[in-house]
Formats: sequence, C-alpha cells, structure tokens
Amino acid sequence: LAKTTQPISMDSYEGQEVNITCSHNNIATNDYITWYQQFPSQGPRFIIQGYKTKVTNEVASLFIPADRKSSTLSLPRVSLSDTAVYYCLVGALLGRKLIFGQGTELSVKP
Amino acid sequence: SAVISQKPSRDICQRGTSLTIQCQVDSQVTMMFWYRQQPGQSLTLIATANQGSEATYESGFVIDKFPISRPNLTFSTLTVSNLSPEDSSIYLCSVERQRARNTEAFFGQGTRLTVV
Repeated sequence: LAKTTQPISMDSYEGQEVNITCSHNNIATNDYITWYQQFPSQGPRFIIQGYKTKVTNEVASLFIPADRKSSTLSLPRVSLSDTAVYYCLVGALLGRKLIFGQGTELSVKP
Repeated sequence: SAVISQKPSRDICQRGTSLTIQCQVDSQVTMMFWYRQQPGQSLTLIATANQGSEATYESGFVIDKFPISRPNLTFSTLTVSNLSPEDSSIYLCSVERQRARNTEAFFGQGTRLTVV
C-alpha cells in the first residue's frame, strides 16, 4: 500500500480556492487516488476519486500529473462549512482495506 | 448509497468491562471494516470482517481484545473487551460500494467510547 504525505494543516478564507497536495511516490500501476472529508464526530465521507489527469465533480477537482506521484485536491470557493480534515488515500479498488494517513486539517475563516 | 446504522453512538464504561458495537448495513456486503480513531488522530484499521470466516486483524490488534462477529452479510459486531482508559476512542465500521464509476467507502456514525 502506497504511503501518502500531506500537509498537516492549512488555513484559508471564505471564497478562496484551496489546493491540498498529496505525495504518493510509491503508487502502483493499479492504484487509484481517493480523497475523503471528515467533520468532527462523523465518519469520513467520499469526495472524489481518480486515476490520472483530471477529475471534476460537483464539489471538487482532482489533478493528477502524468507520473502519478502526487495529486492535488482543489476546492473552489470554500465556505466555513468546508472546515474539516481531508484524507488522501491510494490503493486498488474494491476489496482493499483503506489505510488512512494523517490527513490535512483545513480551517476556513470568515 | 450504502446506509450503515451503528450503535451505540456513545457510551461510558467502567474499567474491566466490555462494550459491543453493532453495525447494520442496508444491503449485503462481502467485507466490513472496523476502525479506531483516537482523539485528534487519524483512523486506524482494526480488522476486516468477512462473513463465514474469522476476521483478519491488523498488526497491534488481537482477537482476544477485539472479538468480531459477522453472522450474515448485513451485520457485524465489534467488542472491545477488558476496557482500560487507553481504549477511549471513536470506533467506526465501514463498507465499500461501487457508485457510478467510483469505489466509495461508507462509514457508520461512529461510537464514542469513554472508559472511566
């Protein structure tokens, strides 16, 4: 299972775009990159998943360079409710156990 | 999307006792996962529970301390036994499911355990 490295914390202001980068130098060929969001007193929640290039959904974008050794979660125009811990996970799909790294604690200020 | 009902949501237990946590999934799943999240920390996988076979435990977790049952494809229990204050944590169950082109993990609401 590929190890991931993320910044421990980030600060932002409402309305700004936030980019959280995750390093995964040992990513395997069949590994996907998945990001989860966790609010206090709740279980993590799926945000986005990708294999290469760019993936976009209604809440975020995920940028993955050609070498796939890193990925960047982009949150457009954050609000106070985006204050949470964001986890980057790398692994093959279905049937694999999720190994959580330390996560990035994002604090959005007014 | 998978719906997982986890209970109890919280409990305060005496040292030396045990707590059993239940997770009910709204549809059949092959594997269920149990995690522990200590205060201010990330999630740590305790074990993977397959129906019809013994759970697979991660390094540092043993069956005597964390017995798991998986009687059918929609239900599992985790027992934290012989409680000590160090066991005070949030415990979560999880399942995976494919939705659209993604494989997503769904989590229960968590059980906040305080050992006194």
